Amino acid sequence: GNSVTQMEGPVTLSEEAFLTINCTYTATGYPSLFWYVQYPGEGLQLLLKATKADDKGSNKGFEATYRKETTSFHLEKGSVQVSDSAVYFCALRGVTQGGSEKLVFGKGTKLTVNP
Amino acid sequence: EPEVTQTPSHQVTQMGQEVILRCVPISNHLYFYWYRQILGQKVEFLVSFYNNEISEKSEIFDDQFSVERPDGSNFTLKIRSTKLEDSAMYFCASRTSRETQYFGPGTRLLVL
Repeated sequence: GNSVTQMEGPVTLSEEAFLTINCTYTATGYPSLFWYVQYPGEGLQLLLKATKADDKGSNKGFEATYRKETTSFHLEKGSVQVSDSAVYFCALRGVTQGGSEKLVFGKGTKLTVNP
Repeated sequence: EPEVTQTPSHQVTQMGQEVILRCVPISNHLYFYWYRQILGQKVEFLVSFYNNEISEKSEIFDDQFSVERPDGSNFTLKIRSTKLEDSAMYFCASRTSRETQYFGPGTRLLVL
């Protein structure tokens, strides 16, 4: 079945450091890939997505490229800020029965950015 | 900006008791979901709901669970007889016909 493996945290960085959170997936067909972020006390928010191979999703300085050859969708940001402190979830939406389009998530990676 | 809301934010209950978790999806959305996250584990799909019926459910979603859309705005998850292992954060989500799901802030359920 479909699955997502995500780099375990926690990750602690200093402000302006480079961030990479690794995400790999297993899926049949051509899934859509997502990064969701959860700020303290809030729900899961879509950060970015990519729907086909070689697509790059980007938002708020974060980027991730859909790599079919390595089945990966790593999240990167060149210079993190304290306000980026949150939990980041990688997810995929595969081809599902019944058209429910459920999401399959990774475990989440907690990022703390120190000033 | 419209958002998904969930109540309560925290719920503590005794094993064997019934709980109802409530969600108000975004008003023009058509597809509704419940997910849960046991502490330290992955966010897991429970059930999806469309056109007033369940469209898919996971093996976690056994006879102890039910969902309902009792009116035009609420979407509820009922656990009939809670177990210790039901302790988790429960997330509601909704979407239009487009694929992006919008999530609520979650309800943290603790079963004692």
